[in-house]
Amino acid sequence: EVQLVESGGGLVQPGGSLRLSCAASGFIFSGSDMNWVRQSPGKGLEWISFIDENADKKYYADSVKGRFTISRDNTKNSLYLQMNNLGAEDTAIYYCGRGPAGWQEHWGQGTLVTVSS
Amino acid sequence: QSALTQPASVSGSPGQSITISCTGTSRDIGAYNYVAWYQQHPGKVPKLMIFDVSNRPSGVSPRFSGSKSGYTASLTISGLQAEDEADYYCSSYTSTSTLVVFGGGTKLTVL
Repeated sequence: EVQLVESGGGLVQPGGSLRLSCAASGFIFSGSDMNWVRQSPGKGLEWISFIDENADKKYYADSVKGRFTISRDNTKNSLYLQMNNLGAEDTAIYYCGRGPAGWQEHWGQGTLVTVSS
Repeated sequence: QSALTQPASVSGSPGQSITISCTGTSRDIGAYNYVAWYQQHPGKVPKLMIFDVSNRPSGVSPRFSGSKSGYTASLTISGLQAEDEADYYCSSYTSTSTLVVFGGGTKLTVL
């Protein structure tokens, strides 16, 4: 069974940083493209980042470019999202998703990031 | 404002068919056959229903179908059931600097 488990969310002050993790199991992680998608409270979905299976290709939404960095460790079956200079607009549930950038077939349960003073 | 435009809400009675539209531009839906649809029940994780315009993942009911014409993609649900009541989101690749865009979501109410 495919499982994706996000962690690392929490309350952070404006301008602060957080590192999200996504632990993968039940599939060949090193052969899978991965994404981060977020959802602000009561709002819609927003794709924010993609990384291919070898970490050769990385893409970001304009809204996070220059502040967020996606990475992965295939030896640990883990995906990461380093988030810097956080603002209130970054408050959201962050999901990791398995699949090409265009669609994600498997999603984690999400981790909540709240940016507030 | 979302890059793709969806109606805020649609409704239908059990057994009926409904269609949710998703309108984009020449830079996204009009340029690529990479439209996806997701279903999200309140408090739950999004579920992929359609990918690459009209393909269903394994396990998704054939009552769900997708299509595209010009700059508009559509999700059709036939034989509406109470369990179909949820929010639906479309997404597409885009040639802009943001690789993927979503629609704002459509709330489906089964009357």
